[in-house]
Amino acid sequence: GNSVTQMEGPVTLSEEAFLTINCTYTATGYPSLFWYVQYPGEGLQLLLKATKADDKGSNKGFEATYRKETTSFHLEKGSVQVSDSAVYFCALRNTGANSKLTFGKGITLSVRP
Amino acid sequence: EPEVTQTPSHQVTQMGQEVILRCVPISNHLYFYWYRQILGQKVEFLVSFYNNEISEKSEIFDDQFSVERPDGSNFTLKIRSTKLEDSAMYFCASSEGLGYNEQFFGPGTRLTVL
Repeated sequence: GNSVTQMEGPVTLSEEAFLTINCTYTATGYPSLFWYVQYPGEGLQLLLKATKADDKGSNKGFEATYRKETTSFHLEKGSVQVSDSAVYFCALRNTGANSKLTFGKGITLSVRP
Repeated sequence: EPEVTQTPSHQVTQMGQEVILRCVPISNHLYFYWYRQILGQKVEFLVSFYNNEISEKSEIFDDQFSVERPDGSNFTLKIRSTKLEDSAMYFCASSEGLGYNEQFFGPGTRLTVL
């Protein structure tokens, strides 16, 4: 079946540090891949997505590239801000426009001023 | 900006009691979902709902669970007889249903079963 594995957290960084959050997946077929973010007290928000191999999703300075050969979708940001402190979830969705999302465990990022 | 809302934000109940978690999806959306996250574990899919019927459900969604869209705006998840292991954060989501659409999530309801 489908599964998503995220690196263990939490992660604490200083402002302007480089961020990498690892995500690998197992899936049949050709899934779409997503990063969701959850700020305190809010719901999960879509941060970025990629729908096929070698696609790069980007938003708010975050990037992730769909790597089929390594089954990975690592999230990166060159310079984090305090406002990026949140929980980040990697997820996949198999083919089928409205099929379910399969999530990783989520990782808490704290950014210090 | 339209958003998915959920009530209550926190529900405490005794084991064996029935609970109903409520969600108001975005008004023009057609697909509705429930997910849950037990503390420290992954967000897990429970059920999807379209055109007034369940379109997909997980192994977790057994006979103790049911969903309903009682009117044009609410989408509810009922747990008939709660167990300790039902304690979790429950997220509702909705999507437009046309093509590969984003699922928009609510803030969640934290259910605590004592």
